[in-house]
Amino acid sequence: GAVVSQHPSRVICKSGTSVKIECRSLDFQATTMFWYRQFPKQSLMLMATSNEGSKATYEQGVEKDKFLINHASLTLSTLTVTSAHPEDSSFYICSARDWGQQETQYFGPGTRLLVL
Amino acid sequence: RKEVEQDPGPFNVPEGATVAFNCTYSNSASQSFFWYRQDCRKEPKLLMSVYSSGNEDGRFTAQLNRASQYISLLIRDSKLSDSATYLCVVNRFGGNTPLVFGKGTRLSVIA
Repeated sequence: GAVVSQHPSRVICKSGTSVKIECRSLDFQATTMFWYRQFPKQSLMLMATSNEGSKATYEQGVEKDKFLINHASLTLSTLTVTSAHPEDSSFYICSARDWGQQETQYFGPGTRLLVL
Repeated sequence: RKEVEQDPGPFNVPEGATVAFNCTYSNSASQSFFWYRQDCRKEPKLLMSVYSSGNEDGRFTAQLNRASQYISLLIRDSKLSDSATYLCVVNRFGGNTPLVFGKGTRLSVIA
């Protein structure tokens, strides 16, 4: 089946630094990718919808200047957490929709971010 | 009101038991419905889609009641390997729109 990869799988950084997370669709083209965040014992919360070649659409309450999203190609979307703080520590998961199968959404393995 | 609501559990059941999970959604325009399974510290994985006519996949049966905006999942003959968090998921408007996740119901199957 279709595969979505994320890199890195986990990252520890100091407060104030920026962290970039990559999400790749490995064997299909994804015009749309989604970024979710999950805090412990909470549900996945949609942060933004990433559209190839255009600006991302952010959910209410998500700061677009803090969470920079770039979807430069049909197989890659990146999320950059700028000036990370301890409250940004979370599990970040991307998903991609196979252009040929609109109802099917594939999830990456997630990136665990810890900000010290 | 949250868009998708589930009983968080936990449900602790013995092997072989039948267990049912319920879910309600608030947006009547929602088009597609799913159950996902999430293991600890892993990404969610699709368990099954949910159709109005009800559908079954082995020991798993899903039901949808659009009038009541209610979704259910029934697991028969529970196995230890069924222990996980089960997420009720709704696609707001179909097509290229995001999935909305419930908080999940934690299931522990005990030997």
